[in-house]
Amino acid sequence: AQSVTQLGSHVSVSEGALVLLRCNYSSSVPPYLFWYVQYPNQGLQLLLKYTSAATLVKGINGFEAEFKKSETSFHLTKPSAHMSDAAEYFCAVILNQGGKLIFGQGTELSVKP
Amino acid sequence: DTAVSQTPKYLVTQMGNDKSIKCEQNLGHDTMYWYKQDSKKFLKIMFSYNNKELIINETVPNRFSPKSPDKAHLNLHINSLELGDSAVYFCASSQGGQGLQPQHFGDGTRLSIL
Repeated sequence: AQSVTQLGSHVSVSEGALVLLRCNYSSSVPPYLFWYVQYPNQGLQLLLKYTSAATLVKGINGFEAEFKKSETSFHLTKPSAHMSDAAEYFCAVILNQGGKLIFGQGTELSVKP
Repeated sequence: DTAVSQTPKYLVTQMGNDKSIKCEQNLGHDTMYWYKQDSKKFLKIMFSYNNKELIINETVPNRFSPKSPDKAHLNLHINSLELGDSAVYFCASSQGGQGLQPQHFGDGTRLSIL
């Protein structure tokens, strides 16, 4: 079965610091992986996706993620945090059955001035 | 120009009532979804429809019944509401039922059962 695990339910960084949100997946076949962001009282918005092309994926708002098969990881990074990055971030994997997205538990990112 | 719109945004009702949540997308997508987000922000898919045909039906109580009158609409009707139904319900849409294209989400309907 495919699933994702996000390490750390809450991450706090200072403005301008590196953002690193961790996601590990388990999959018996090459996965399709996604990062979504949820701002307060809003729906989810796609940040980036990995679909077996380049292992380093660039997304919106300066975020990127690297697919590492050997580590079964798809961590999300951003070199310099902005106050506006404060939100809930979800890693997700697709099941090869009718597009079923399986979400991780979410990581809340706080950005301190 | 809202891409995926849900109504109502907030829904407060009493246990035992029947309620509906409506969802419409103007993106021309052929697949629509319903998700439930609980108080711990855990997201789980409930249903998906592709071209008005049910393709994903998770282990959801049969009090929940989705209805898709056309490709642009997917409504969710809930009978005999229970306290545990309190959650945020998200509608989403995508092009293609395989899930390779990104899903676009509405802003959610916050359901509170008294």
